[in-house]
Amino acid sequence: DAGITQSPRHKVTETGTPVTLRCHQTENHRYMYWYRQDPGHGLRLIHYSYGVKDTDKGEVSDGYSVSRSKTEDFLLTLESATSSQTSVYFCAISESGTGTYGYTFGSGTRLTVV
Amino acid sequence: QKEVEQNSGPLSVPEGAIASLNCTYSDRGSQSFFWYRQYSGKSPELIMFIYSNGDKEDGRFTAQLNKASQYVSLLIRDSQPSDSATYLCAVRTNFGNEKLTFGTGTRLTIIP
Repeated sequence: DAGITQSPRHKVTETGTPVTLRCHQTENHRYMYWYRQDPGHGLRLIHYSYGVKDTDKGEVSDGYSVSRSKTEDFLLTLESATSSQTSVYFCAISESGTGTYGYTFGSGTRLTVV
Repeated sequence: QKEVEQNSGPLSVPEGAIASLNCTYSDRGSQSFFWYRQYSGKSPELIMFIYSNGDKEDGRFTAQLNKASQYVSLLIRDSQPSDSATYLCAVRTNFGNEKLTFGTGTRLTIIP
């Protein structure tokens, strides 16, 4: 997806290990988001950021933390991975201000916790 | 009650017919409404957005918004097999709130 990159694309990790997912944008957008997508639940917001070092929780933030030290990077950390965190994780970016535009999504990270 | 509700489908429509996808939302203060298309294994892509009551047309797509009844719909005319995907409805509750709430999506299959 133009302007937004997620890494890694796929990851398998063991229960109890920390995992960090990276979202990188080249659009200089103020807002960045982490969602997870699960069958039957759709896209659910984990955390979002409205500027460097400015972050807030979404509806499913337990077990996750985020950091944004630069405009272009938004990191999602699973502090101690559990099987319930097996999911597809999407990063999204949004232009600031009017709320006129929707999101642009990254390609996603498929995470499997075994 | 979920904030944004969609029928999960699958919705099957013959090629060339009109596909109609519906979405209802619970927050009467919602201001902005978006339709995303998601192909299997891919990320969602924005196809339509609407803010005002009425219809908004873009090519084969028409978004319809009725704030009094709290629903938004997407019509796809002359449906093509390439339209087969999951369609996600998303709602922003008010200006200044930069978060979108998504429905669970409707899976659409166009039958050749």
